[in-house]
Amino acid sequence: AQSVTQPDIHITVSEGASLELRCNYSYGATPYLFWYVQSPGQGLQLLLKYFSGDTLVQGIKGFEAEFKRSQSSFNLRKPSVHWSDAAEYFCAVGAASGTYKYIFGTGTRLKVLA
Amino acid sequence: GAVVSQHPSWVICKSGTSVKIECRSLDFQATTMFWYRQFPKQSLMLMATSNEGSKATYEQGVEKDKFLINHASLTLSTLTVTSAHPEDSSFYICSARGDSRGNTQYFGPGTRLTVL
Repeated sequence: AQSVTQPDIHITVSEGASLELRCNYSYGATPYLFWYVQSPGQGLQLLLKYFSGDTLVQGIKGFEAEFKRSQSSFNLRKPSVHWSDAAEYFCAVGAASGTYKYIFGTGTRLKVLA
Repeated sequence: GAVVSQHPSWVICKSGTSVKIECRSLDFQATTMFWYRQFPKQSLMLMATSNEGSKATYEQGVEKDKFLINHASLTLSTLTVTSAHPEDSSFYICSARGDSRGNTQYFGPGTRLTVL
């Protein structure tokens, strides 16, 4: 079955600390992978995406993610978290064609301590 | 680039009335638009997928007669919640993708619907 797992429902980090949000997927075909961020009461903003090529992708706001095919993972990282990074983060996997639908993870809520 | 807008951002209506939500792609042609529903502190639930000029494809369990979707142009899709009831209260988010932008979906800011 196709699925996306974000094992951590909540994560709390101190401002300035490093961050890693985990994402594991199960997908039959070559996955297209995405990370989105959602602030309260807002839509989703694309942080970064992986289609092919270099497995370490850079995104906006200083985020990066690494695709590891052997581990079926696409973890999101940031070396130094800012208070404004507090939000909900969603990992998603999509198809290269066809319906273009996404499968979303359940999300990880990030809290940043001052 | 890749901006998607939604209108209204919030709406309150009485039970039994219909509400229309618009989703627009402002700077690209949206070949496909998606409508999601999000409950508090939960992930997004896909309701339907629409391609310009075609009938929408609804996910299992979504009532197509209650949630009418129209994708009449490459920049506009509408979701009409017909005969709304309190259980339809939710946060509705649309997204759009264009052939020029591959498989990436760009999301609108969402619409908060409250049915009294």
